[in-house]
Amino acid sequence: DIQMTQSPPVLSASVGDRVTLSCKASQNINKNLDWYQQKHGEAPKLLIYYTNNLQTGIPSRFSGSGSGTDYTLTISSLQPEDVATYYCYQYNSGPTFGAGTKLELK
Amino acid sequence: QVQLKESGPGLVQPSQTLSLTCTVSGLSLTSNSVSWIRQPPGKGLEWMGVIWSNGGTDYNSAIKSRLSISRDTSKSQVFLKMNSLQTEDTAMYFCARSYYSFDYWGQGVMVTVSS
Repeated sequence: DIQMTQSPPVLSASVGDRVTLSCKASQNINKNLDWYQQKHGEAPKLLIYYTNNLQTGIPSRFSGSGSGTDYTLTISSLQPEDVATYYCYQYNSGPTFGAGTKLELK
Repeated sequence: QVQLKESGPGLVQPSQTLSLTCTVSGLSLTSNSVSWIRQPPGKGLEWMGVIWSNGGTDYNSAIKSRLSISRDTSKSQVFLKMNSLQTEDTAMYFCARSYYSFDYWGQGVMVTVSS
């Protein structure tokens, strides 16, 4: 099975900061990766699909990049409503989610 | 608009079988796949399995022996059955459209395994 390692587990940042979340796969996943945002008590929301495609309705401050085993979600200017847990999800084979990065306001 | 809604018992006894239903609207099960995903309290997400638009299924290898996903296209419903439940199966269970890039999710149903 492909393991997905997200870092850091918890990230504290200030409003306006540029924030970078990392997701590393145990083997090449050929860009078959999504990013999800989950706020407390809600279902996850799709932010980025196939590594770098912004889902309809998602603010342009969110972006994704990566290839091979290393992937990144970037928030260009953190907003208070971005406080949430973020999960990466690989579907190259035997789909798996990362353990998540909890994003907090400093 | 597309909607998915999970339903099922909130409490299941250990060793028993869990049965959940995902009722969909605004999409056809014969042209869309549906996945089940679960989340234990305070923990991360786990993909459980998918039923494809052609009715075929694929399951997470870790729970494959206990899991079955089926559907009734005439009722727009997808079913999850998982046997031999243990306390670690306590979780919020979600259904979502597709096998990846889950753009539509249900609200989830909380299932507690306890005697």
